[in-house]
Amino acid sequence: QLQLQESGPGLVKPSETLSLTCTVSGGSVSSTNYYWGWIRQPPGKGLEWIGSIYYSGSIYYNPSLKSRVSISVDRSKNQFSLRLSSVTAADTAVYYCARHSFVGRLGYLKSFDSWGQGTLVAVSS
Amino acid sequence: QSALTQPASVSGSPGQSITISCTGTSNDVGGYNYVSWYQQHPGKAPKLMIYDVNKRPSGVSNRFSGSKSANTASLSISGLQAEDEADYYCSSYTSSSTHVVFGGGTTLTVL
Repeated sequence: QLQLQESGPGLVKPSETLSLTCTVSGGSVSSTNYYWGWIRQPPGKGLEWIGSIYYSGSIYYNPSLKSRVSISVDRSKNQFSLRLSSVTAADTAVYYCARHSFVGRLGYLKSFDSWGQGTLVAVSS
Repeated sequence: QSALTQPASVSGSPGQSITISCTGTSNDVGGYNYVSWYQQHPGKAPKLMIYDVNKRPSGVSNRFSGSKSANTASLSISGLQAEDEADYYCSSYTSSSTHVVFGGGTTLTVL
């Protein structure tokens, strides 16, 4: 059974870089059938897609965050990671990693079919 | 402001049926059959309930169904149960540079 688990600091100072890792078990980030994505949810608010990465390194980012976001994949560790720079209080949220299905020949991103439990990251001095 | 528009809240009594709408544009909901619906209970991760407009993942009750007409997708729940009380989010592929868009979410209350 596929499981995803987020890990990383729960508190980040303003202007610093938020770093999270998602460890995948029961499946492989090297799968040719899926992208691997990050989604966040500020307290009491809705979901916001951050970006998704394919095992080959192909990446899609949300344009609203693109200038501050970097997503990478480590196939040897079966992990993928998120870095968000120059954080402010507005970046305080629960961050989820998830498996992201797509239309192979067109690259259209579709649904998130398996999610991690989420990790709360607060931005505060 | 979310790219897809959902009602903030809906309610229904046990056993009844409800429908949640999700309105987008021809660049997303109306143009592609890649609408998904997620259920989120308080403090929990979202769970995929419907994908590709009307397909149910294995294990999801057949009380949940999806449909689409023009630029509006809908999630219907029949035979409402107390456990269905949750937030529901729609999502779609979009041909814009955003790639993926979510609705603002709808809180379902089972009276």
